[in-house]
Amino acid sequence: GEDVEQSLFLSVREGDSSVINCTYTDSSSTYLYWYKQEPGAGLQLLTYIFSNMDMKQDQRLTVLLNKKDKHLSLRIADTQTGDSAIYFCAESIHGGSQGNLIFGKGTKLSVKP
Amino acid sequence: DTAVSQTPKYLVTQMGNDKSIKCEQNLGHDTMYWYKQDSKKFLKIMFSYNNKELIINETVPNRFSPKSPDKAHLNLHINSLELGDSAVYFCASTAGRRQETQYFGPGTRLLVL
Repeated sequence: GEDVEQSLFLSVREGDSSVINCTYTDSSSTYLYWYKQEPGAGLQLLTYIFSNMDMKQDQRLTVLLNKKDKHLSLRIADTQTGDSAIYFCAESIHGGSQGNLIFGKGTKLSVKP
Repeated sequence: DTAVSQTPKYLVTQMGNDKSIKCEQNLGHDTMYWYKQDSKKFLKIMFSYNNKELIINETVPNRFSPKSPDKAHLNLHINSLELGDSAVYFCASTAGRRQETQYFGPGTRLLVL
């Protein structure tokens, strides 16, 4: 079945770059997403990448996709304390008429001053 | 201005009660979803509706019944609440059932005592 894997924790110092990694199993995924969840808050869509792209940059965020290895990463440049949150990787599943997302377990990013 | 809204934000109730959570989106989207996030932050799809029609029904107890009075609303009714139902429930919507970008509501935090 479909599965999305992420490491559970990442700790960085303020100003450093953070790299959050994700692997997925469904090669038919059309889009891959990164969502951010701050403590006690909902899910905020950060960015997404179409499966025929290998890189997408959006200000401090860089998404890299290695479709051959089914590996997705999110790089946050100049990480700030406000970036502390849980980051979820998700893949879209298109089995028939479905369009739901399969989420990873989330990576908790802690940013130390 | 809220795109996807949920009520209530918090819900504390006793085992055995019946409760409803409401979701509304003002984005003009055709497809709406309910996800459950457990205490370990794992997110799983529960239901999906497209234009008031059920298109995804994952392995969820019959005590959970979604209802879509119109395409802007997807409510979740839960009968005979159990301790294990305690979780955060997220509503989401997309423009169409093959559209990818899902916008999430703020979540409803349900605690069953």
